[in-house]
Formats: sequence, C-alpha cells, structure tokens
Amino acid sequence: DIQMTQSPSTLSASVGDRVTITCRASQSIDTWLAWYQQKPGKAPKLLIYRTSILESGVPSRFSGSGSGTEFTLTINSLQPDDFATYYCQHYDNYSDFGQGTRLEIK
Amino acid sequence: QVQLLQSGAEVKKPGASVKVSCAASGYTFADYYIHWVRQAPGQGLEWMAWNNPNSGGTKYSQKFQGRVTLTRDTSVSTAFMELSGLRSDDTAIYYCARVVEMTTPRAGLDVWGQGTTVTVSS
Repeated sequence: DIQMTQSPSTLSASVGDRVTITCRASQSIDTWLAWYQQKPGKAPKLLIYRTSILESGVPSRFSGSGSGTEFTLTINSLQPDDFATYYCQHYDNYSDFGQGTRLEIK
Repeated sequence: QVQLLQSGAEVKKPGASVKVSCAASGYTFADYYIHWVRQAPGQGLEWMAWNNPNSGGTKYSQKFQGRVTLTRDTSVSTAFMELSGLRSDDTAIYYCARVVEMTTPRAGLDVWGQGTTVTVSS
C-alpha cells in the first residue's frame, strides 16, 4: 500500500500569511493527488485534483504542485475562512488520505 | 443541483452488518464513479472502496477486503455500501462521494453525501 505522510500535523498562522502543507507518498503516484479542506461537522471539500487543477469555485489563493512522491498545497494571503483541516489523497491504483494538517489561528 | 443523499444513522451490535445507501440526483448516475470514505470520531479520513455505477465494477481497500461490499441500483440512481463483521472500531461517519471527472475512478471527489453515522456498541 502507498502511504501518505502530511506535514506539519498542526500549523499556526495569521490572516494574510502564506502557508505551505506538504504531502509525501511512499512511492511514486505520478500526479494522482487531490487536496481537501474539512471543517468540523462537515464533509470534506475538494480544493485541487490531479496535483494542480483548481476545483471550480475555489479561490485562486489555493494552489498545488509536485509530482512523483512530493506534493505541496500553498495558500496565499490566508483568510479567516481558511482555518480548517486539510487532507491530501492519492488515487493511483488504490487510494488513501494523509493524516491531515490542522491549520489554526496564531 | 448535483446531490448525494445518504441513509440515516445506524446503531449496530458487534458482529452485525450495516448497509448504507447513497442516492444520486442532478446528474447521470452511470457516468461518475462513487467512492466510500469513513471518518472515526476525532480522526482523519480513511478510503474504503470505489464503485463504477455503469458496470458495477469495484475496488476495495485491502484493509476492508472481505468485509465490504459495494452494489448499485441504476434504476433508482443509488449506490450501496455494506460492511459486515462490525467491531467497535468501525464506529464512524461513512461518506459516499462522486468523482469530479466522468468515467474514471482516478480524480478528486467533488460531491459528498452528508454522511451516515454508524455506531457499533453492545
């Protein structure tokens, strides 16, 4: 099974900051990676898929990059609504999620 | 609008089975794969399986192989997930979700059901 490792597990930042979350795969997954945002009591929301394709309606301050085994989600100019938990997901042969990154207000 | 509506909360005893439904509306059911994902209380997301509503084809996580069965009824645009041999650590919210691109299981999940809480307790 391909293991996904996200870092950091918790990230403290302020409104207006630029933050980066990293996801590493235990073996190459090409660009078969998605990113989600989840808020308490809600279903996850798709932000980015195929590593860098922004889902319709998602603000352009979100961006994704990477290939192979290392991927990043970048959020430019953090907004109050962005404080949430973020997950990466690979969907190479099987699928699975990273353990999540909780983005909290500093 | 595009929507997935899941069945209601379930309480089951250890060893029992549960079957969760996921009714699709607002799009052509057969065109988009459905994935199932669960989330235990206070924990992260865990992928379980996907189903091709057109062919009925499935792929299961090795963790759940032998315990989970995905089916669908195209006449009512509904997908089903049945989990057997329930244990206390199967207590979780179970989600169905649609793949963002047509006719492939390999893309992000853009539409999610509201979740079904399954509680396993003696």
